[in-house]
Amino acid sequence: DIQLTQSPSFLSASVGDRVTITCRASQGISNYLAWGITSSLAWYQQKPGKAPKLLIYGTSTLQSGVPSRFSGSGSGTDFTLTISSLQPEDFATYYCQQLSDYPLTFGPGTKVDIK
Amino acid sequence: QLQLQESGPGLVKPSETLSLTCTVSGGSINSISYYWGWIRQPPGKGLEWIGNIYFSGSTYYNPSLKSRLTISVDTSRNQFSLNLSSVTAADTALYYCARLSEDCSGGFCQLNYFDSWGQGTLVTVSS
Repeated sequence: DIQLTQSPSFLSASVGDRVTITCRASQGISNYLAWGITSSLAWYQQKPGKAPKLLIYGTSTLQSGVPSRFSGSGSGTDFTLTISSLQPEDFATYYCQQLSDYPLTFGPGTKVDIK
Repeated sequence: QLQLQESGPGLVKPSETLSLTCTVSGGSINSISYYWGWIRQPPGKGLEWIGNIYFSGSTYYNPSLKSRLTISVDTSRNQFSLNLSSVTAADTALYYCARLSEDCSGGFCQLNYFDSWGQGTLVTVSS
C-alpha cells in the first residue's frame, strides 16, 4: 500500500498568511508517459460537518470554481498544497489523496486553524 | 447538477451487516468515465477509502475490508450499494458515497479524483 504522510498535522495561521502543506508518499506516484509526467495526487478541503471538497487534482490542476490562491505542485513522492493568502473561509482540514494505485489512500490531514 | 444521497440505517448491531445505498440524481450512473465509490470517516478521524464500482459491475475493494465487503450497482435505479458484514464498533463512521473520475488516453487509464460527494450518513455500531 502507498502510505501518505502530511506535515504539519496542525497549523495555526492568520488571515493573509501564505500557507504550505506537504504530502509525502511512501513510494513514487508519478507516471512517466510519452507526453509527460502525470501524478494522481489530489487535495481536498473539509469543513466540520461537511463532505470533503475537491480542490486540486493531477498534482496541480485547480478544480473548477476553486480560488486561484490555491495551488499544488510536486512529483515523485513529494507534493505541496499552497494557499497564497489565507482567507477566513480557508480554515479547515486538508487531505491529500493518491489515486496512482489501489488501495486508494488519503493522508492523515492537516488542520488549519485561526491564530 | 449531479447529486448523491446516502441512505440506510443509522444504527447497526455488532456482528450484523451494514447496508447503505447511494442514489445518484442529475446524471447517469452509466458513465464510461466514472467509477462510484464509498469512503468512510470515523468520528474525529481521517478518511478511509472503502471501494469503487463501475457501472458494468467491476469492483475494487480495500484489502482491509475485502473479506466483509460487497459493493453492487443497480443501473435501472441509478443506485449503488454497500454491504459490510460482521460489523464491530470499529466500523462506526460517517459513510460517504462519491463519484470517481477516470481518464483513459493512449491505452493508459488514470484515476483522477472524487469530485461529487454525498452529504454522508453516520452509522453507529452498538447493541
